[in-house]
Amino acid sequence: DIQMTQSPSTLSASVGDRVTITCRASQSISTWLAWYQQKPGKAPKILIYKASSLESGVPSRFSGSGSGTEFTLTISSLQPDDFATYYCQQYNDYPRTFGQGTKLEIK
Amino acid sequence: VHLLDSGGGLVQPGGSLRLSCAASGFTFSSLAMSWVRQAPGKGLEWVSGISGNGANRNYADSVKGRFTISRDNAENTLYLQMSSLRAEDTAVYYCATGQEKFHSWGQGTLVTVSS
Repeated sequence: DIQMTQSPSTLSASVGDRVTITCRASQSISTWLAWYQQKPGKAPKILIYKASSLESGVPSRFSGSGSGTEFTLTISSLQPDDFATYYCQQYNDYPRTFGQGTKLEIK
Repeated sequence: VHLLDSGGGLVQPGGSLRLSCAASGFTFSSLAMSWVRQAPGKGLEWVSGISGNGANRNYADSVKGRFTISRDNAENTLYLQMSSLRAEDTAVYYCATGQEKFHSWGQGTLVTVSS
């Protein structure tokens, strides 16, 4: 199975900050990577797919980059609504696997 | 796109349960579908996926041989038949569109396996 490792596990930041979350795959997945945002008690919401394609309706302050084994999700200027948990997910192979999550907290 | 998950509940170890996901707002038969679960306080785990016509099915090793995914395209409904349930199957189960990336999600249904 392809292991997905996110860092950091927890990130404290303030409104207006620029933040970056990293996701590493245990083997190359080309650009077959998605990012999701999840708030407590809610279903995940897709933000980015194919490593850097922004899902329709997602604010442009979210961006993704990377290929192969290393990927990043960047939020250019944090808004109050962005405090949540973020997951990466590979779809290069079965089983589909997720990172362990990064909890973005208010500093 | 609207997905409505149902069928969760409390079941004893070794028991069975069938989850349903009622879909609307899109051409159901044209989209692959998946189930993803989340144990309490834990991360996301892909469980199973099925192609639009139902011919191609995939499972996580943790559920292979115990869970069966199916769909009724006439009724716009996705199913997950779960048997030989274990405590570690306790989770919120979400249906989602797609078998690669998951664009739309149901609200989730909680399955608790406990005696």
